[in-house]
Amino acid sequence: GAVVSQHPSWVICKSGTSVKIECRSLDFQATTMFWYRQFPKQSLMLMATSNEGSKATYEQGVEKDKFLINHASLTLSTLTVTSAHPEDSSFYICSAPGEVNTEAFFGQGTRLTVV
Amino acid sequence: KNQVEQSPQSLIILEGKNCTLQCNYTVSPFSNLRWYKQDTGRGPVSLTIMTFSENTKSNGRYTATLDADTKQSSLHITASQLSDSASYICVVSATAGTALIFGKGTTLSVSS
Repeated sequence: GAVVSQHPSWVICKSGTSVKIECRSLDFQATTMFWYRQFPKQSLMLMATSNEGSKATYEQGVEKDKFLINHASLTLSTLTVTSAHPEDSSFYICSAPGEVNTEAFFGQGTRLTVV
Repeated sequence: KNQVEQSPQSLIILEGKNCTLQCNYTVSPFSNLRWYKQDTGRGPVSLTIMTFSENTKSNGRYTATLDADTKQSSLHITASQLSDSASYICVVSATAGTALIFGKGTTLSVSS
């Protein structure tokens, strides 16, 4: 089946630095990818919708200048957490939709810890 | 407002027992409903997906039901195993290809 590869699986960074998370569709083209964030013991919350060749759409309350999304090709979307702070520590997951009523494909997730 | 509500929030059962998790949704228009299993620190893994016209779907020891009229779904786990310990998330899609709407999940703990 289709696979979405997310990298890195975990990262620890210092406050004020930036971290880039990559999400690749390995055997299919994804014109759209979704980025989610999950805090401990909470559900996945949609942050933004990444569209190939155009600007991402951000959910209310998500700072677009802090969470930079680039979807430059049909197989790669990246999320960059800029000037990271400890409160940005979370589990970030990307997802690419399948065809109508078929599976949605999730990356493995990235555990970000900002110290 | 599109919402997905799950119950119970958490559940502890003995190995070998059965259990049923509940999901109510108010998503409209409705495309499909999915149940996922998520281990801590991992991405969700699909268990079942059902469209409007499907009432039940099984995947091994997992059986999901859907009542589109009452907008309710359930996930029944038979003969639970220790490896079933995880979060089970009910997810509804409003229209195909759009972002999924996640419930908060039910945390299941299976003990020996």
